[in-house]
Amino acid sequence: DAKTTQPPSMDCAEGRAANLPCNHSTISGNEYVYWYRQIHSQGPQYIIHGLKNNETNEMASQIITEDRKSSTLILPHATLRDTAVYYCIVRSRAGNNRKLIWGLGTSLAVNP
Amino acid sequence: DVKVTQSSRYLVKRTGEKVFLECVQDMDHENMFWYRQDPGLGLRLIYFSYDVKMKEKGDIPEGYSVSREKKERFSLILESASTNQTSMYLCASSLGVLGQRVTEAFFGQGTRLTVV
Repeated sequence: DAKTTQPPSMDCAEGRAANLPCNHSTISGNEYVYWYRQIHSQGPQYIIHGLKNNETNEMASQIITEDRKSSTLILPHATLRDTAVYYCIVRSRAGNNRKLIWGLGTSLAVNP
Repeated sequence: DVKVTQSSRYLVKRTGEKVFLECVQDMDHENMFWYRQDPGLGLRLIYFSYDVKMKEKGDIPEGYSVSREKKERFSLILESASTNQTSMYLCASSLGVLGQRVTEAFFGQGTRLTVV
């Protein structure tokens, strides 16, 4: 599975959109991009995933560039409860989570 | 909602003790995982099970063993706890791969183990 690069930390004002970037320049055609987040002292929580189309659910949106080498997770109206570490992971379509490579993620601080 | 439950949130054990960490999931998932999480190192896979009685070593299996006698339960065993096994332990589960479907993992709340 391809490796990802994320900034170590970001800040966002409460109520504003948080845009978290992720580079995955070695991604292959059958690899999905997944996002998880981990709130302090809890287990990681799945947010969203996609292959090549932009995706949206009740938690967030994911935009993937046309060449699929990078993506952005968007929290449209960040709240204090969105303060967490956000992980971007790529994994094979035929994978089973065994080979998920967890980086150190981006620590997002949402400020009042 | 999927629920993955770990038996303890906090645990303190002595060096040399045998330690059992239990994990139960209620969604009939085939796959279950044990990770440890340490500052600066992220999540690292210890063991993985894709079916009852089946297991595979992850990236850091040394000093650990696992047991999966029932589909819903996956146990991590520290045969002789050492101080370098002080860590946050996370259990996760996911559906098996159904055709080409890709499935997400669901995590428990974690067990913070301290070995003294």
